Amino acid sequence: GQQVMQIPQYQHVQEGEDFTTYCNSSTTLSNIQWYKQRPGGHPVFLIQLVKSGEVKKQKRLTFQFGEAKKNSSLHITATQTTDVGTYFCAGRAGNTPLVFGKGTRLSVIA
Amino acid sequence: EAGVAQSPRYKIIEKRQSVAFWCNPISGHATLYWYQQILGQGPKLLIQFQNNGVVDDSQLPKDRFSAERLKGVDSTLKIQPAKLEDSAVYLCASSLGWTSGEQFFGPGTRLTVL
Repeated sequence: GQQVMQIPQYQHVQEGEDFTTYCNSSTTLSNIQWYKQRPGGHPVFLIQLVKSGEVKKQKRLTFQFGEAKKNSSLHITATQTTDVGTYFCAGRAGNTPLVFGKGTRLSVIA
Repeated sequence: EAGVAQSPRYKIIEKRQSVAFWCNPISGHATLYWYQQILGQGPKLLIQFQNNGVVDDSQLPKDRFSAERLKGVDSTLKIQPAKLEDSAVYLCASSLGWTSGEQFFGPGTRLTVL
Protein backbone atom coordinates (compact mmCIF):
# COMPACT_ATOMS: atom_id res chain seq x y z
CA GLY A 1 0.00 0.00 0.00
CA GLN A 2 0.88 3.64 -0.20
CA GLN A 3 3.61 4.78 2.20
CA VAL A 4 4.64 8.26 3.23
CA MET A 5 8.04 8.70 4.83
CA GLN A 6 9.31 11.74 6.66
CA ILE A 7 12.78 12.77 7.72
CA PRO A 8 14.21 13.65 10.10
CA GLN A 9 12.25 12.09 12.93
CA TYR A 10 13.51 14.72 15.38
CA GLN A 11 15.14 18.12 14.98
CA HIS A 12 16.51 20.33 17.70
CA VAL A 13 17.37 23.89 16.70
CA GLN A 14 18.41 27.09 18.39
CA GLU A 15 15.83 29.84 18.17
CA GLY A 16 16.49 31.81 15.03
CA GLU A 17 17.89 28.87 13.05
CA ASP A 18 16.13 27.47 10.02
CA PHE A 19 14.35 24.10 9.92
CA THR A 20 13.38 21.78 7.09
CA THR A 21 11.41 18.53 7.05
CA TYR A 22 11.14 16.26 4.02
CA CYS A 23 8.37 13.97 2.91
CA ASN A 24 8.58 11.17 0.33
CA SER A 25 5.83 9.01 -1.07
CA SER A 26 6.10 5.56 -2.59
CA THR A 27 3.46 6.55 -5.15
CA THR A 28 2.60 9.63 -7.19
CA LEU A 29 0.28 11.86 -5.23
CA SER A 30 -2.73 13.86 -6.33
CA ASN A 31 -2.17 16.24 -3.44
CA ILE A 32 -0.23 16.59 -0.23
CA GLN A 33 -1.24 18.27 3.01
CA TRP A 34 0.78 19.49 5.98
CA TYR A 35 -0.42 19.51 9.57
CA LYS A 36 1.07 20.75 12.83
CA GLN A 37 0.44 19.07 16.17
CA ARG A 38 1.47 20.89 19.31
CA PRO A 39 2.47 18.77 22.33
CA GLY A 40 -0.71 17.36 23.85
CA GLY A 41 -2.81 18.79 21.04
CA HIS A 42 -4.45 17.59 17.87
CA PRO A 43 -3.31 17.98 14.25
CA VAL A 44 -4.10 21.36 12.73
CA PHE A 45 -4.18 21.84 8.97
CA LEU A 46 -1.50 24.14 7.55
CA ILE A 47 -1.74 23.84 3.78
CA GLN A 48 -2.55 21.69 0.76
CA LEU A 49 -0.40 21.46 -2.38
CA VAL A 50 -1.86 20.15 -5.61
CA LYS A 51 0.25 21.19 -8.59
CA SER A 52 3.60 19.76 -9.68
CA GLY A 53 6.42 22.06 -8.55
CA GLU A 54 4.06 24.19 -6.48
CA VAL A 55 5.55 26.51 -3.86
CA LYS A 56 3.44 28.24 -1.23
CA LYS A 57 4.46 30.55 1.57
CA GLN A 58 2.84 31.37 4.88
CA LYS A 59 4.88 34.03 6.66
CA ARG A 60 8.06 32.17 7.71
CA LEU A 61 6.87 28.79 6.36
CA THR A 62 7.60 27.68 2.79
CA PHE A 63 6.00 24.54 1.35
CA GLN A 64 7.11 22.81 -1.83
CA PHE A 65 5.64 19.99 -3.90
CA GLY A 66 8.10 18.10 -6.09
CA GLU A 67 7.95 18.05 -9.87
CA ALA A 68 7.16 14.34 -9.87
CA LYS A 69 4.52 14.84 -7.15
CA LYS A 70 6.21 12.22 -4.96
CA ASN A 71 7.98 14.46 -2.49
CA SER A 72 7.42 17.62 -0.52
CA SER A 73 9.19 19.81 1.98
CA LEU A 74 8.38 22.32 4.68
CA HIS A 75 10.96 24.98 5.50
CA ILE A 76 10.72 27.34 8.47
CA THR A 77 12.92 30.42 8.44
CA ALA A 78 14.20 31.82 11.73
CA THR A 79 12.41 29.44 14.06
CA GLN A 80 10.61 30.72 17.12
CA THR A 81 9.54 28.90 20.28
CA THR A 82 5.97 28.99 18.99
CA ASP A 83 7.05 26.67 16.15
CA VAL A 84 7.54 23.78 18.58
CA GLY A 85 5.50 20.72 17.69
CA THR A 86 5.32 17.78 15.31
CA TYR A 87 4.88 18.46 11.62
CA PHE A 88 3.10 15.82 9.57
CA CYS A 89 2.78 15.48 5.85
CA ALA A 90 -0.17 13.53 4.51
CA GLY A 91 -0.50 12.39 0.94
CA ARG A 92 -3.40 11.30 -1.18
CA ALA A 93 -3.07 9.18 -4.33
CA GLY A 94 -6.11 9.49 -6.56
CA ASN A 95 -9.28 9.00 -4.56
CA THR A 96 -7.63 6.95 -1.84
CA PRO A 97 -7.71 8.16 1.77
CA LEU A 98 -5.06 10.48 3.13
CA VAL A 99 -1.96 8.68 4.44
CA PHE A 100 0.05 10.42 7.17
CA GLY A 101 3.79 10.25 7.66
CA LYS A 102 5.27 9.63 11.09
CA GLY A 103 6.06 13.30 11.52
CA THR A 104 9.08 15.40 12.42
CA ARG A 105 9.23 16.60 16.01
CA LEU A 106 10.72 20.09 16.23
CA SER A 107 12.25 21.40 19.44
CA VAL A 108 13.36 25.02 19.62
CA ILE A 109 15.89 26.05 22.24
CA ALA A 110 15.55 29.66 23.32
CA GLU B 1 -17.96 27.97 14.37
CA ALA B 2 -17.89 25.09 16.82
CA GLY B 3 -15.14 22.56 16.28
CA VAL B 4 -15.22 18.77 16.29
CA ALA B 5 -16.37 17.49 19.67
CA GLN B 6 -15.23 14.22 21.18
CA SER B 7 -15.92 12.43 24.43
CA PRO B 8 -14.63 11.17 26.70
CA ARG B 9 -11.24 12.88 26.68
CA TYR B 10 -9.58 10.11 28.67
CA LYS B 11 -10.45 6.50 29.32
CA ILE B 12 -8.66 3.79 31.27
CA ILE B 13 -9.87 0.21 30.97
CA GLU B 14 -8.55 -3.27 31.50
CA LYS B 15 -7.86 -5.60 28.63
CA ARG B 16 -10.84 -7.55 27.39
CA GLN B 17 -13.21 -4.78 28.46
CA SER B 18 -15.22 -2.78 25.95
CA VAL B 19 -15.15 0.97 25.34
CA ALA B 20 -16.98 3.46 23.15
CA PHE B 21 -16.01 6.87 21.86
CA TRP B 22 -18.31 9.56 20.56
CA CYS B 23 -17.73 12.25 17.95
CA ASN B 24 -19.80 15.18 16.75
CA PRO B 25 -18.36 16.72 13.59
CA ILE B 26 -18.56 20.31 12.42
CA SER B 27 -22.08 21.12 11.25
CA GLY B 28 -22.48 20.52 7.54
CA HIS B 29 -19.42 18.33 7.16
CA ALA B 30 -20.37 15.27 5.14
CA THR B 31 -17.17 13.32 5.70
CA LEU B 32 -16.15 11.94 9.08
CA TYR B 33 -12.94 10.11 9.91
CA TRP B 34 -11.72 8.04 12.83
CA TYR B 35 -7.96 7.85 13.27
CA GLN B 36 -5.77 5.94 15.70
CA GLN B 37 -2.59 7.73 16.78
CA ILE B 38 -0.07 5.67 18.67
CA LEU B 39 2.55 7.64 20.59
CA GLY B 40 5.29 8.89 18.31
CA GLN B 41 3.46 8.06 15.09
CA GLY B 42 1.19 9.79 12.64
CA PRO B 43 -2.57 9.33 12.60
CA LYS B 44 -3.68 6.07 11.00
CA LEU B 45 -7.09 6.02 9.34
CA LEU B 46 -9.45 3.45 10.80
CA ILE B 47 -12.66 4.34 9.00
CA GLN B 48 -14.06 7.06 6.78
CA PHE B 49 -17.76 7.90 6.40
CA GLN B 50 -19.42 9.92 3.68
CA ASN B 51 -22.73 10.95 5.25
CA ASN B 52 -23.86 7.67 6.83
CA GLY B 53 -22.08 5.35 4.38
CA VAL B 54 -18.64 3.79 4.81
CA VAL B 55 -16.08 4.94 2.22
CA ASP B 56 -13.06 3.11 3.57
CA ASP B 57 -12.58 0.74 6.50
CA SER B 58 -9.68 -1.27 5.15
CA GLN B 59 -7.53 -0.69 8.23
CA LEU B 60 -10.25 -1.22 10.82
CA PRO B 61 -9.67 -4.43 12.86
CA LYS B 62 -13.20 -5.60 12.31
CA ASP B 63 -12.96 -8.51 14.73
CA ARG B 64 -12.90 -6.03 17.61
CA PHE B 65 -13.58 -2.52 16.28
CA SER B 66 -16.88 -1.21 14.99
CA ALA B 67 -18.14 2.22 14.05
CA GLU B 68 -21.40 3.75 12.99
CA ARG B 69 -22.78 7.06 11.82
CA LEU B 70 -26.46 6.29 11.72
CA LYS B 71 -27.97 9.69 10.87
CA GLY B 72 -25.00 11.03 8.98
CA VAL B 73 -24.05 13.39 11.80
CA ASP B 74 -22.42 12.13 14.97
CA SER B 75 -20.55 8.86 15.19
CA THR B 76 -19.44 6.24 17.69
CA LEU B 77 -16.39 3.99 17.61
CA LYS B 78 -16.41 0.87 19.75
CA ILE B 79 -13.69 -1.56 20.78
CA GLN B 80 -14.74 -4.93 22.13
CA PRO B 81 -12.71 -6.57 23.58
CA ALA B 82 -9.79 -4.20 24.05
CA LYS B 83 -6.17 -5.33 23.84
CA LEU B 84 -3.07 -3.74 25.33
CA GLU B 85 -1.95 -2.59 21.87
CA ASP B 86 -5.14 -0.52 21.49
CA SER B 87 -3.66 2.06 23.86
CA ALA B 88 -3.56 5.21 21.74
CA VAL B 89 -5.27 8.50 21.06
CA TYR B 90 -8.41 8.13 18.96
CA LEU B 91 -8.95 11.19 16.82
CA CYS B 92 -12.12 12.11 15.03
CA ALA B 93 -11.93 14.49 12.10
CA SER B 94 -14.39 15.93 9.63
CA SER B 95 -14.30 17.69 6.29
CA LEU B 96 -16.81 19.27 3.93
CA GLY B 97 -16.48 16.47 1.45
CA TRP B 98 -14.53 13.39 0.53
CA THR B 99 -12.04 15.20 -1.66
CA SER B 100 -12.10 18.48 0.27
CA GLY B 101 -8.67 19.54 1.41
CA GLU B 102 -8.74 20.46 5.04
CA GLN B 103 -9.59 17.98 7.75
CA PHE B 104 -10.62 19.41 11.10
CA PHE B 105 -9.58 17.30 14.06
CA GLY B 106 -11.21 16.97 17.44
CA PRO B 107 -9.21 16.95 20.69
CA GLY B 108 -9.07 13.14 20.74
CA THR B 109 -9.72 10.46 23.33
CA ARG B 110 -6.66 9.06 25.07
CA LEU B 111 -7.26 5.36 25.75
CA THR B 112 -5.10 3.40 28.14
CA VAL B 113 -5.60 -0.37 28.25
CA LEU B 114 -4.11 -2.05 31.33
